[in-house]
Amino acid sequence: DAGVIQSPRHEVTEMGQEVTLRCKPISGHNSLFWYRQTMMRGLELLIYFNNNVPIDDSGMPEDRFSAKMPNASFSTLKIQPSEPRDSAVYFCASSQGYRENYGYTFGSGTRLTVV
Amino acid sequence: DQQVKQNSPSLSVQEGRISILNCDYTNSMFDYFLWYKKYPAEGPTFLISISSIKDKNEDGRFTVFLNKSAKHLSLHIVPSQPGDSAVYFCAADNSGYALNFGKGTSLLVTP
Repeated sequence: DAGVIQSPRHEVTEMGQEVTLRCKPISGHNSLFWYRQTMMRGLELLIYFNNNVPIDDSGMPEDRFSAKMPNASFSTLKIQPSEPRDSAVYFCASSQGYRENYGYTFGSGTRLTVV
Repeated sequence: DQQVKQNSPSLSVQEGRISILNCDYTNSMFDYFLWYKKYPAEGPTFLISISSIKDKNEDGRFTVFLNKSAKHLSLHIVPSQPGDSAVYFCAADNSGYALNFGKGTSLLVTP
């Protein structure tokens, strides 16, 4: 398996523009997570899907952020409009959801820079 | 509010010595704890875990200790190797919900 695939790896955009981050989870994993990593807050959970259904989006910073999971093999995180404070590394992770086989598998992340 | 805290942003250890990374948590409902390791430009990878019914779990050079009364866990790496240089994240779980991560500790193992 190729693991969790995120695209793009790097994104540089101007303030006010729309940004879409993409994620392909591992086949067979029923849970998908979007995390954001910053120096100040470390790894913070943005949203969590289970069987393609959003379970908890309380970590989404504000209405400018939205996430979708139209099917089991694809998810997007959209920021519209983007702001400089959104600059961070965004990680997608998937898991089978079983405690004994826990280990989230993370993608390599998307480094977003908003100028 | 940060429920998982790693108060040491960085740690430097000589090769061959023991590395001890610490983690504190505030939520007594957490019942499963994990450590992840992260290299630059890569995603975190699972390293080792421990259930709250245990106080120690060992995997090769890596041992995690859990002190529930103190709400504290630690990761011991013995002996430390240069390839262990990475950022280590502590994470905690509440009954299978999404993981709460600490801010990470950057470990540097020097030759």
